[in-house]
Amino acid sequence: EDKVVQSPLSLVVHEGDTVTLNCSYEVTNFRSLLWYKQEKKAPTFLFMLTSSGIEKKSGRLSSILDKKELFSILNITATQTGDSAVYLCAVMNRDDKIIFGKGTRLHILP
Amino acid sequence: SQTIHQWPATLVQPVGSPLSLECTVEGTSNPNLYWYRQAAGRGLQLLFYSVGIGQISSEVPQNLSASRPQDRQFILSSKKLLLSDSGFYLCAWSLGGADSGELFFGEGSRLTVL
Repeated sequence: EDKVVQSPLSLVVHEGDTVTLNCSYEVTNFRSLLWYKQEKKAPTFLFMLTSSGIEKKSGRLSSILDKKELFSILNITATQTGDSAVYLCAVMNRDDKIIFGKGTRLHILP
Repeated sequence: SQTIHQWPATLVQPVGSPLSLECTVEGTSNPNLYWYRQAAGRGLQLLFYSVGIGQISSEVPQNLSASRPQDRQFILSSKKLLLSDSGFYLCAWSLGGADSGELFFGEGSRLTVL
């Protein structure tokens, strides 16, 4: 059965800290891995990763995929209170099925 | 540009009543369409997805069903709601085929079953 496992489930850090969120997966016919940020309603897209070892970067956020070990990490440096959210990891297979993990709830203390 | 509309935004329904949530996409053709449910603000559970008209893949059949009567319309239905159907329902679309990947979400429908 396809599955996505995120860790930790929740995390509390102080502003300025660096955090690493983990996502491991088991999926048949993997196509891509996606990261989303959800604050109130609809998730917003962060990254899509398809190739191993190539870091994607956007400001203080970065992510990388390891297709051999079947995991991805999302790094956030110099965290700010606005980074507080649920971070969701998802994987897509070649049938275009997209499944999500349970998310990591990140809380940044001022 | 592409947009996705989902309605109603909120609804409160008694147990045993029917349900219909509707989602339409504008500005693209032949999108992949998805229905997810989110309980307690955590992960999204895939309910149904469709890669074309009349093609519905069901992940959690139970008492829910989905239909795609038109290329850019996706409907989630139930004949008789259960208490456990309460949650936040999200419709999403993505490009299909080799360009598929990023999901674009609607604003969601919050369902409370009493």
